[in-house]
Amino acid sequence: QVQLQQSGPGLVKPSQTLSLTCVISGDSVSSNSAAWNWIRQSPSRGLEWLGRTYYRSKWYNDYAEFVKSRITINPDTSKNQFSLQLNSVTPEDTAVYYCARGGLRGCSSGGCSIYWFDPWGQGTLVTVSS
Amino acid sequence: DIVMTQSPDSLAVSLGERATINCKSSRTVLYSSNNKNYLAWYQQKPGQPPKVLISWASTRESGVPDRFSGSGSGTDFTLTISSLQAEDVAVYYCQQYYTSLITFGQGTRLEIK
Repeated sequence: QVQLQQSGPGLVKPSQTLSLTCVISGDSVSSNSAAWNWIRQSPSRGLEWLGRTYYRSKWYNDYAEFVKSRITINPDTSKNQFSLQLNSVTPEDTAVYYCARGGLRGCSSGGCSIYWFDPWGQGTLVTVSS
Repeated sequence: DIVMTQSPDSLAVSLGERATINCKSSRTVLYSSNNKNYLAWYQQKPGQPPKVLISWASTRESGVPDRFSGSGSGTDFTLTISSLQAEDVAVYYCQQYYTSLITFGQGTRLEIK
């Protein structure tokens, strides 16, 4: 079955870049039926979808509007993984960050949407503090 | 964005009793072309990621006990646990996948009375 294993630092200083990696086993980051997502969870904001990357003849990235100017999600086909970079972090970015797989649906020339998230990575608590 | 609102925020139910959690979307998540509701339910236990229980508003995922059931259509949905077990203590979330921008409810904490 598909498993996702996250890694990355748990402490980031304000104004710096948060970087996390998610290694995929049992599936391919280049699958044409799955999107690879980052989601975060905090007590104040709940569960928030941040963005996704997926491959359908070319690579697509979709990002949530509220982080669009600061986020990059990159696939790495050589290591079958994908990464999250969130720039210029503030204490408001303190959260548990999850990677998750979503099945693709509703594909057109403009891209695809997704279904529910399954499975999820184990989660990484990232604290933004000096 | 579609806003998902759950009620109640927390719930205490006796073992063996029924638990009911509601989820309301700010607009319909029912696709008229296929008559499917684009709504999922998750269970999250402490220290674990969410786990999908139900998709399409009422379809149990493989391995999910049949005491869990989902119902509703359009904008109003319900997750029911027919006979609460101790292992069901968790936070439950609804999520819509009708739009490309996925959104979640705020969660309902379920405890034992």
